[in-house]
Amino acid sequence: AQSVTQPDIHITVSEGASLELRCNYSYGATPYLFWYVQSPGQGLQLLLKYFSGDTLVQGIKGFEAEFKRSQSSFNLRKPSVHWSDAAEYFCAVGPLMGGGNKLTFGTGTQLKVEL
Amino acid sequence: NAGVTQTPKFRVLKTGQSMTLLCAQDMNHEYMYWYRQDPGMGLRLIHYSVGEGTTAKGEVPDGYNVSRLKKQNFLLGLESAAPSQTSVYFCASSYIAGGPGEQFFGPGTRLTVL
Repeated sequence: AQSVTQPDIHITVSEGASLELRCNYSYGATPYLFWYVQSPGQGLQLLLKYFSGDTLVQGIKGFEAEFKRSQSSFNLRKPSVHWSDAAEYFCAVGPLMGGGNKLTFGTGTQLKVEL
Repeated sequence: NAGVTQTPKFRVLKTGQSMTLLCAQDMNHEYMYWYRQDPGMGLRLIHYSVGEGTTAKGEVPDGYNVSRLKKQNFLLGLESAAPSQTSVYFCASSYIAGGPGEQFFGPGTRLTVL
């Protein structure tokens, strides 16, 4: 069965420091991978997605992610974190069997930014 | 272009009461979804729809019903609310693509069942 693991529940970084959020997936074929961000009290917003091609994907707000098939990983990175990046981040994989473009989401990583 | 909207934003119910959550999208998307979000559990799919007049069960469908009478609307119903249904509910929509298209999310409905 498809699954997504985000091993870090909480991460704290200082403003200006680099960031890496981990995502590991289990999927039987070539996956479609997504990173979403959720600010407090808000819905989820897409940061970036990987379907095929270049394994380094650029997204919004200065984020990037690298697909590593050999490690079944899709880690999210940012070179310099801003205080406004404090939020919860979700990794997702799809499509799931049965149609409907369904995704499986990880349990999320809560990012805290220290000023 | 409002995207995905949800009504209401907040609701408090007593055990056994019923209610309907409304989701509307103005992007002409074929697919729509209802999720619940609970601390430490991420998003779990309740029901989804691949088009007008169709619905299907997701990961956690028990205690919920849905209807998609119009392409732009997706309703989630709780017939007899239970405290275990206290959660934040998100609606999302998606377009048909060669693979999974991006899902667009609404702002959520925070439901408390006493």
